[in-house]
Amino acid sequence: GQNIDQPTEMTATEGAIVQINCTYQTSGFNGLFWYQQHAGEAPTFLSYNVLDGLEEKGRFSSFLSRSKGYSYLLLKELQMKDSASYLCAVSGYSTLTFGKGTMLLVSP
Amino acid sequence: DSGVTQTPKHLITATGQRVTLRCSPRSGDLSVYWYQQSLDQGLQFLIQYYNGEERAKGNILERFSAQQFPDLHSELNLSSLELGDSALYFCASRSGVNQPQHFGDGTRLSIL
Repeated sequence: GQNIDQPTEMTATEGAIVQINCTYQTSGFNGLFWYQQHAGEAPTFLSYNVLDGLEEKGRFSSFLSRSKGYSYLLLKELQMKDSASYLCAVSGYSTLTFGKGTMLLVSP
Repeated sequence: DSGVTQTPKHLITATGQRVTLRCSPRSGDLSVYWYQQSLDQGLQFLIQYYNGEERAKGNILERFSAQQFPDLHSELNLSSLELGDSALYFCASRSGVNQPQHFGDGTRLSIL
């Protein structure tokens, strides 16, 4: 099975940088996804890591260490619209297991 | 717009009733996934279909069933509804194993 842990809530200030961590234990691993979800809306895909290292995509970056069962999502130059839940999801062969999400609140 | 279409957007019904939720995947995607999201739970995987066949099952109750049709659209049937079934139900599709799942806008089910 899969076990995924991420902080429940985080707060940050507009313009700052925030790092959201995710640790996982899994019996099968085929990559790790990060999604953003605004309240009441659909999750939207942010990033995917299957190999160790950093993937950068504009203001968002994601890091993976498979040996440590650890990933983080880094958000730079925070904007108010970044206030949302961020979901870490581990991919097995055909399915995703989602963490409960980290609610990020960005304040002015 | 993810390209995944779900209908209806909202559904209000009573305990004991039966409802059907519909999902059309993105063009070309053979895999369809169903999830349930309640306020105190994360996204809970229910079931996956691939090209018409059931591929994986998650925490799906026996009162719930799904199918995928030859045109690849999928339906999730929920019966003998209980108050605790009130939730957002999402459908997602993807084109391959290392590809992201793309989510529809969801169906908000309220049981009164």
